[in-house]
Amino acid sequence: ETGVTQSPTHLIKTRGQQVTLRCSSQSGHNTVSWYQQALGQGPQFIFQYYREEENGRGNFPPRFSGLQFPNYSSELNVNALELDDSALYLCASSSGTDFYNEQFFGPGTRLTVL
Amino acid sequence: AQKITQTQPGMFVQEKEAVTLDCTYDTSDPSYGLFWYKQPSSGEMIFLIYQGSYDQQNATEGRYSLNFQKARKSANLVISASQLGDSAMYFCAMRKIAGANSKLTFGKGITLSVRP
Repeated sequence: ETGVTQSPTHLIKTRGQQVTLRCSSQSGHNTVSWYQQALGQGPQFIFQYYREEENGRGNFPPRFSGLQFPNYSSELNVNALELDDSALYLCASSSGTDFYNEQFFGPGTRLTVL
Repeated sequence: AQKITQTQPGMFVQEKEAVTLDCTYDTSDPSYGLFWYKQPSSGEMIFLIYQGSYDQQNATEGRYSLNFQKARKSANLVISASQLGDSAMYFCAMRKIAGANSKLTFGKGITLSVRP
């Protein structure tokens, strides 16, 4: 069974640019959640996708957008990058949206905005 | 709104000793789940233990146990017989049981260092 994978591992961008991060969910999982973890902080919920539809969003501006594909993999897009967007971005997949559906995390993508 | 508070500074423990990592929470939801995750330097979040607000007994998973005190809104993690591989960041998190999505709300984390 393949676990959750994310690409790329590291990324360096400059202010104003756009970035796309990718997440492949674990086999059999239809739900992907994205989190932003700034240095020295806990992860913050960005949004969740369930069967290709957004299913809840945290306190992030619209320049953070996402997509989920028919195979349940997902993308996180960030437009007009700001310095504060520098963080570890984690995705987690699960077999549903209920509380008992354990979320399995990927290794993350570390984004640096210069 | 849900809130998790982890205020301990970096923690140090001698190998083979037990250590307690503190977590307090605040929520208006009648039912919720509490989680502890370990995050090594590689970045991946590793699930350790879960406690439901309705559970009568404290959760245990191998060397991990959760000291759940509902009235005090605390959910402390106890690691027995610490090992060098336990050195990592530890995060307490919670999730509503009812609701549209199962997002996790995390605390700021605690750094644990195990000394040989």
